Amino acid sequence: KAGVTQTPRYLIKTRGQQVTLSCSPISGHRSVSWYQQTPGQGLQFLFEYFSETQRNKGNFPGRFSGRQFSNSRSEMNVSTLELGDSALYLCASSVDSTNYGYTFGSGTRLTVV
Amino acid sequence: DQQVKQNSPSLSVQEGRISILNCDYTNSMFDYFLWYKKYPAEGPTFLISISSIKDKNEDGRFTVFLNKSAKHLSLHIVPSQPGDSAVYFCAASYWGGTSYGKLTFGQGTILTVHP
Repeated sequence: KAGVTQTPRYLIKTRGQQVTLSCSPISGHRSVSWYQQTPGQGLQFLFEYFSETQRNKGNFPGRFSGRQFSNSRSEMNVSTLELGDSALYLCASSVDSTNYGYTFGSGTRLTVV
Repeated sequence: DQQVKQNSPSLSVQEGRISILNCDYTNSMFDYFLWYKKYPAEGPTFLISISSIKDKNEDGRFTVFLNKSAKHLSLHIVPSQPGDSAVYFCAASYWGGTSYGKLTFGQGTILTVHP
């Protein structure tokens, strides 16, 4: 079966711009989580969506937001980009977050210049 | 406040020998632990997990040990192969209202297996 698909794979943006990243989960998976990976902070949890509802949110500023559609696809948005937002953004999906069976996508590498 | 710690940034072993990767945690609410393997520019790949009701779980060459009293877990790879060279992340979770979809990761250990 197809895995978790993240688009685009690479992105270069300028400070102050906004960006939208997309994640298509494995078919049948209804939970989607997002993580930010940076060399200094490691893998940090951003938020989780289930059936179009945000159930959990990490310690990130309000510039980071997300949503989930009825087909479970998810998007995350970062507004007013800062240089420190440069990172690998990873999406993971699961049938339901109760089973801990999260499968990760390959990520979107965002570079802010 | 780093709740999951991997204190060894890197580990180098010879092919065929045992690799032991360690992980410590501080949050006693964690009841499920996972190990992921990651190559550069790719997402983490699930390796093996263990529930807090067990102290050992095996899957082929991979064994995870959990010591709840010490809040410590370890991943043993026997025998190690060059293809095992990657970054290994320890992650922890618990079932509860503030934990939906959230895995807390360690900083990772770079494993290099020399032929």
